[in-house]
Amino acid sequence: SQTIHQWPATLVQPVGSPLSLECTVEGTSNPNLYWYRQAAGRGLQLLFYSVGIGQISSEVPQNLSASRPQDRQFILSSKKLLLSDSGFYLCAWSVRDVWRGARFFGPGTRLTVL
Amino acid sequence: AQSVTQLGSHVSVSEGALVLLRCNYSSSVPPYLFWYVQYPNQGLQLLLKYTTGATLVKGINGFEAEFKKSETSFHLTKPSAHMSDAAEYFCAVSYGSYNTDKLIFGTGTRLQVFP
Repeated sequence: SQTIHQWPATLVQPVGSPLSLECTVEGTSNPNLYWYRQAAGRGLQLLFYSVGIGQISSEVPQNLSASRPQDRQFILSSKKLLLSDSGFYLCAWSVRDVWRGARFFGPGTRLTVL
Repeated sequence: AQSVTQLGSHVSVSEGALVLLRCNYSSSVPPYLFWYVQYPNQGLQLLLKYTTGATLVKGINGFEAEFKKSETSFHLTKPSAHMSDAAEYFCAVSYGSYNTDKLIFGTGTRLQVFP
């Protein structure tokens, strides 16, 4: 069966520090991968998605970046965090060409920027 | 453009009562519609989906939703609420190609269940 892992589960970082969040998927090949952010009191905002290794599409201009160095690994990064980067970050995957719109989410990382 | 509106950011029901969470969509093409549930400090879980065919869709945990094209609605219901149903529920609409489909989420409805 497929599983998705995210780490760390929680993170407290000072403003201006770097960020690296990691997501890995097991049990499937060639998935579409996504990073979402959920801010307090808001819905989910799509940040990045990837249809293959090295292929990243950005949905919202910001100081975050994403990379996909391996088929089932997706990394969210920042060189300098802002207060507004606080939120709950969710990684998700989907099966290409099947179940359009269905997403399988990881457990999330709660990021607090102080 | 595709969009989703969830009416009511908070809904409270008594245990055993009917649950009704409202969702209206806007789509220029036949929509694919979804309901997701999020328990506290967890990721989202797919409850049910409508793609084509039968307009009454059954999902997990006793939930179901009915696609009504004339009303552009996809409301989520459950006949009898359980305490374990307390969570946040998100309606979503999908558009785009199979390879790069986009999923637009509503702002969510938090369901509280009282004993």
